[in-house]
Amino acid sequence: NAGVTQTPKFRVLKTGQSMTLLCAQDMNHEYMYWYRQDPGMGLRLIHYSVGEGTTAKGEVPDGYNVSRLKKQNFLLGLESAAPSQTSVYFCASSKRPGRSTDTQYFGPGTRLTVL
Amino acid sequence: AQKITQTQPGMFVQEKEAVTLDCTYDTSDPSYGLFWYKQPSSGEMIFLIYQGSYDQQNATEGRYSLNFQKARKSANLVISASQLGDSAMYFCAMRENTGTASKLTFGTGTRLQVTL
Repeated sequence: NAGVTQTPKFRVLKTGQSMTLLCAQDMNHEYMYWYRQDPGMGLRLIHYSVGEGTTAKGEVPDGYNVSRLKKQNFLLGLESAAPSQTSVYFCASSKRPGRSTDTQYFGPGTRLTVL
Repeated sequence: AQKITQTQPGMFVQEKEAVTLDCTYDTSDPSYGLFWYKQPSSGEMIFLIYQGSYDQQNATEGRYSLNFQKARKSANLVISASQLGDSAMYFCAMRENTGTASKLTFGTGTRLQVTL
């Protein structure tokens, strides 16, 4: 059982380039999330999705776009990368809120460097 | 204002000893959940333990327990019988039921180093 997977694991971009990070989960979870982790700041929510075809902004959405065309996939796009987007990106999924335990399960992360 | 505060940037503990990692939170939502995650040097985020705001008893999962003091708004993680493999970053997080999604807010983490 793979859980949550992320592609790629590492990437180096030049300023202005675009890229898409792919997150996939095989747990049939409804909810999916994208976070970024910066030194000394913990994880911050970028965007999230409450189901196929829906997305919403999190705490730090600027400069990113997302899409959830299939339930199992959640894509994070950077249209014009900036050095401030150098970070480690984590995808997570959860079954559905409203249960007493809506635990989010995380992927292994993508380390992105923007030069 | 910080919703999740972890005041200990780093902690040391000797192998086989117990250690407490502090976490305080701030919310006006009566229904919320508190989580602890472990992040080893390999980078993945590993779920450890959960405490619901209405749970009467403190959560336990093996060597991990959560010391939940609702009136003080604290949710400290206690690791008993520390092992070298416990060396990692530990993050406290809170889930508030905001709108239609339950979003996690993370603290800045505590780096735990277990020594011989």
